[in-house]
Amino acid sequence: AQSVTQLGSHVSVSEGALVLLRCNYSSSVPPYLFWYVQYPNQGLQLLLKYTTGATLVKGINGFEAEFKKSETSFHLTKPSAHMSDAAEYFCAVSVPPHLTGGYNKLIFGAGTRLAVHP
Amino acid sequence: NAGVTQTPKFQVLKTGQSMTLQCAQDMNHEYMSWYRQDPGMGLRLIHYSVGAGITDQGEVPNGYNVSRSTTEDFPLRLLSAAPSQTSVYFCASSYLGEVSYGYTFGSGTRLTVV
Repeated sequence: AQSVTQLGSHVSVSEGALVLLRCNYSSSVPPYLFWYVQYPNQGLQLLLKYTTGATLVKGINGFEAEFKKSETSFHLTKPSAHMSDAAEYFCAVSVPPHLTGGYNKLIFGAGTRLAVHP
Repeated sequence: NAGVTQTPKFQVLKTGQSMTLQCAQDMNHEYMSWYRQDPGMGLRLIHYSVGAGITDQGEVPNGYNVSRSTTEDFPLRLLSAAPSQTSVYFCASSYLGEVSYGYTFGSGTRLTVV
C-alpha cells in the first residue's frame, strides 16, 4: 500500500542556510512523487514532481528533490533559504489507477512547516 | 485559465446552519475532490468524484454531502454545521487515470462554526 511519512512537523532554519525537508514513502509499484507548497492563507501549489527518468528533479524557487529508490526517500532541498520560503510543505505519492479502480489518487504526508529566521 | 475556483473564501456559521461550499474548474478534469485541513492532521479526503453523476466517500465523509451534475462543478454541502467542522476546505481536481499531473488545488475556504 502507498503511504508517505514526513519527518519533522516543524523545521526552522536561518536565512541563507540549507533547507532539508524529509519525505519517505512506501509504494508497491514504481511511484510518482510530488512536493506541494502552501503559503500562508493560500492553496497548495505544485513545487516539483518525479515521474520517470532523472532522479534529481528541479522545481520552482530554487528547490530540488532527489528520488532514492534504495532509501525510499524523496527529500526536498534548497541550498540557501529565503524569508519568502516560509510555508508548509507537503509530500505526496501517487496511487496508480489500477489500484484505485481507475482514477488518479494522491496520498499526502502530514506536512512540514518551514520557518526562516533572519 | 482560472484553474480551480472556490467560494466563499471565508465563512462563519452558527451550529446547526447549513451551507454549500462551491468549487468549479475549467480544465475539463474528470476527477474532483474535497479535503479538509486541520492543524497537525494534514489533508483528509472528504468526498471525491470521477465524473458527472459519480461520487464516493473519502476518509471523513460524515456531516457532508456532495453531488456532481456537471464536469465543472463539485459543491460540498454541510447539512447541519457543528464546531468540529471548523476547518480549511480545499477542492482539488485532476485528469482521470493520469497520475503524473498531480492535483490542481483551489485557494481554500476557511470555515468557522460557532
